[in-house]
Amino acid sequence: GAVVSQHPSRVICKSGTSVKIECRSLDFQATTMFWYRQFPKKSLMLMATSNEGSKATYEQGVEKDKFLINHASLTLSTLTVTSAHPEDSSFYICSAREGAGETQYFGPGTRLLVL
Amino acid sequence: GQQLNQSPQSMFIQEGEDVSMNCTSSSIFNTWLWYKQEPGEGPVLLIALYKAGELTSNGRLTAQFGITRKDSFLNISASIPSDVGIYFCAGELYSGGGADGLTFGKGTHLIIQP
Repeated sequence: GAVVSQHPSRVICKSGTSVKIECRSLDFQATTMFWYRQFPKKSLMLMATSNEGSKATYEQGVEKDKFLINHASLTLSTLTVTSAHPEDSSFYICSAREGAGETQYFGPGTRLLVL
Repeated sequence: GQQLNQSPQSMFIQEGEDVSMNCTSSSIFNTWLWYKQEPGEGPVLLIALYKAGELTSNGRLTAQFGITRKDSFLNISASIPSDVGIYFCAGELYSGGGADGLTFGKGTHLIIQP
């Protein structure tokens, strides 16, 4: 149980375009989903917290207009990188939890390369 | 924000040896977690610790939640080649607003020589 999927697994896009990444909880309902970013050989850094049906809470330094998060249902959250630039190239990982105090389960990650 | 200091950064060991790594924090956490990440994949939960002083095992892995709630260690006994990977500690703090995201350590890269 507790499987989280992400789509796509990797994406290459041109600078200036927007990219949407999906995060799905497959066998449980996730009241909260989190988005993390990981640079090569670095740790995971929390970008934002997304609660179903409400606006996402962004960490300091993360541009909300650039990284649009939608958590429209209890099993799906999307992260859209708008007007992507090469410095946005990174490994984006989501996690999901059923409720407060429950374990976070991570997706397999999405590798974004912006040319 | 909170920071986790994880050490060592990397370990080169022989197969069969025991491994120990730890994390310390300048502030307390409600939950300590240990994850393993392999290249190109998301982290996989190894052990979750919910109470100060708690000692929990998962097969050859043992982890403890420090009494002060500011530290945790992970031990791996009798290492095998498939233990290779990057191990991350993570702390979780519950605020009045509900679920908080995890704060991760910088990782310990475990390399095993057969």
